[in-house]
Amino acid sequence: DIQMTQFPSTLSASVGDRVTITCRASQSITTWVAWYQQKPGKAPKLLIYDASSLESGVPSRFSGSGSGTDFTLTISSLQPDDFATYHCQHMGTFGQGTKLEIK
Amino acid sequence: QEQLVESGGGVVQPGRSLSLSCAASGFSFSSYGMHWVRQAPGKGLEWMAIIWFDGSNQYYADSVKGRFTISRDNSNNTLYLHMNSLRADDTAVYYCARLRRRGITAEFTMDVWGKGTTVTISS
Repeated sequence: DIQMTQFPSTLSASVGDRVTITCRASQSITTWVAWYQQKPGKAPKLLIYDASSLESGVPSRFSGSGSGTDFTLTISSLQPDDFATYHCQHMGTFGQGTKLEIK
Repeated sequence: QEQLVESGGGVVQPGRSLSLSCAASGFSFSSYGMHWVRQAPGKGLEWMAIIWFDGSNQYYADSVKGRFTISRDNSNNTLYLHMNSLRADDTAVYYCARLRRRGITAEFTMDVWGKGTTVTISS
């Protein structure tokens, strides 16, 4: 089975910072990688699909990239609403999640 | 708007069974594959099962294979998850989610999620 290792597990940053979260697959995979944002007590929200396609309605400060085994989610300029947990996904496997905290 | 509403969660003793439902509205339910995903307290997301748009195929995570059954009723726009032999580690919030692409697709991206229903396994 393919494993998705997501890091860092916790990230402290400030409003306006540029941040990057990484998911590394245990073997080379297709670009069917999605990224979700989840706030406490809420369902996940799709941000990015097909590794780099922005879901409709998602702000353009979110972007995704990657191929092979390494995939990244970048937030270009953090906004207060972005402090949340982020999950990557490939097929039936999710990463462990990254909690983005205010520094 | 497109909406999924889960129901059926509760407190159940170990070894017992429970069925969850997910009512869909605002989109053509019969055109989309559907997932169940769970999240144990303080943990990450765990994919459970997928069913094709027409119910013709189902796939399960190893952790629930043989114990959980996913099914759907397209005439009533409802997805189900029947859970048998429940264990303490099945305690979680259970979400239903829609496959992003219509029809037959090999990808698993989920674009519409319900708010979840909580299942607690405890004696």
